Amino acid sequence: GNSVTQMEGPVTLSEEAFLTINCTYTATGYPSLFWYVQYPGEGLQLLLKATKADDKGSNKGFEATYRKETTSFHLEKGSVQVSDSAVYFCALSASGNTGKLIFGQGTTLQVKP
Amino acid sequence: DAGITQSPRHKVTETGTPVTLRCHQTENHRYMYWYRQDPGHGLRLIHYSYGVKDTDKGEVSDGYSVSRSKTEDFLLTLESATSSQTSVYFCAISDPTGRNNEQFFGPGTRLTVL
Repeated sequence: GNSVTQMEGPVTLSEEAFLTINCTYTATGYPSLFWYVQYPGEGLQLLLKATKADDKGSNKGFEATYRKETTSFHLEKGSVQVSDSAVYFCALSASGNTGKLIFGQGTTLQVKP
Repeated sequence: DAGITQSPRHKVTETGTPVTLRCHQTENHRYMYWYRQDPGHGLRLIHYSYGVKDTDKGEVSDGYSVSRSKTEDFLLTLESATSSQTSVYFCAISDPTGRNNEQFFGPGTRLTVL
């Protein structure tokens, strides 16, 4: 079946450090891929998405590239800020689906000044 | 922000009591979803709806029922709450077209079952 695996957290970085959060997936067909972010006490917000192979999603300095050959969608940011501290979720929506999302377990990021 | 509200935002109840959570949207989106969020599990789909009176089970539907009598409201009911249903519950909406399956989430309901 379809599944998403994220790297274990929590991840603790100093401000201005480089961030990578790994995400790999298993799916039939050609899924769409998403990164959502959840700030403390809030619901999830879409951070970026990619709908086909080799697409790059980007937003707020974050980027992720849809790699079909490695079934990955790693999240990166060149210089993190304290305000980026949150939980990040990778998710997929399988092709031909009802829009249902399958989420990874989430990775907590803490950025220290 | 997408117009999604959830009520109540916090609830404490006792084992064996019925509980109903409400999700209300003002976006006229066709699809609505209920998820639960638990540490180490991410979000797991409980039930979803693809139209008025049209619902289907998700990954963790046991112990939950849903109803959707109008486009804007999607209710989640725990017929007899158990401690294992202590969780944060999120409602989401979407209007999937082609490959655009973005979902918009409500603020969540924190439910504690004693």
